[in-house]
Amino acid sequence: DAMVIQNPRYQVTQFGKPVTLSCSQTLNHNVMYWYQQKSSQAPKLLFHYYDKDFNNEADTPDNFQSRRPNTSFCFLDIRSPGLGDAAMYLCATSGSSGGGLELFFGEGSRLTVL
Amino acid sequence: AQTVTQSQPEMSVQEAETVTLSCTYDTSESDYYLFWYKQPPSRQMILVIRQEAYKQQNATENRFSVNFQKAAKSFSLKISDSQLGDAAMYFCAYSVNYGQNFVFGPGTRLSVLP
Repeated sequence: DAMVIQNPRYQVTQFGKPVTLSCSQTLNHNVMYWYQQKSSQAPKLLFHYYDKDFNNEADTPDNFQSRRPNTSFCFLDIRSPGLGDAAMYLCATSGSSGGGLELFFGEGSRLTVL
Repeated sequence: AQTVTQSQPEMSVQEAETVTLSCTYDTSESDYYLFWYKQPPSRQMILVIRQEAYKQQNATENRFSVNFQKAAKSFSLKISDSQLGDAAMYFCAYSVNYGQNFVFGPGTRLSVLP
């Protein structure tokens, strides 16, 4: 059973045209993450939510925004995608009841920018 | 800042043989967790194995085991009896106890040869 679901799996957009990627989870985890992964590179953390508390990484461009309307859902908004934003976007979750908790990943959303 | 290094961008192993993937990390923390994640082609990232820094005993999960050398800040993954399904990108990752941020290494692409 899928526990972290990302939609769409593949998204094609035009340069500058806003795009929204979604993530839902059935794990009831407190923490949700968005990572950007470019081909065969390490995932790069964009931001994460601890419950409703938003934590932005210092080097995440302003072009990237996120919303978490409830525990189950989290969205990544890219306001004006550039060619450099083409990547796989990974959503992940983790619980908060102790240290060393593993990340549960979705299958990712691959963004192509034309 | 914590960093994770994987010095082997690519590795290959014959089916049924054993392979070791290397990982080193840098931290000033004493309480942390280390992970190996597997990302098969076009599939989601999953946890392979986890090690708590305060435990001296090396973690094992079936054919997967680690060699954790805390003083040397080294955390290698050994895969025994390699199978074709082990072919994937392997990422070493670090998180501080009760922290929410995971730091990933650049990854090692493992090929399994029949």
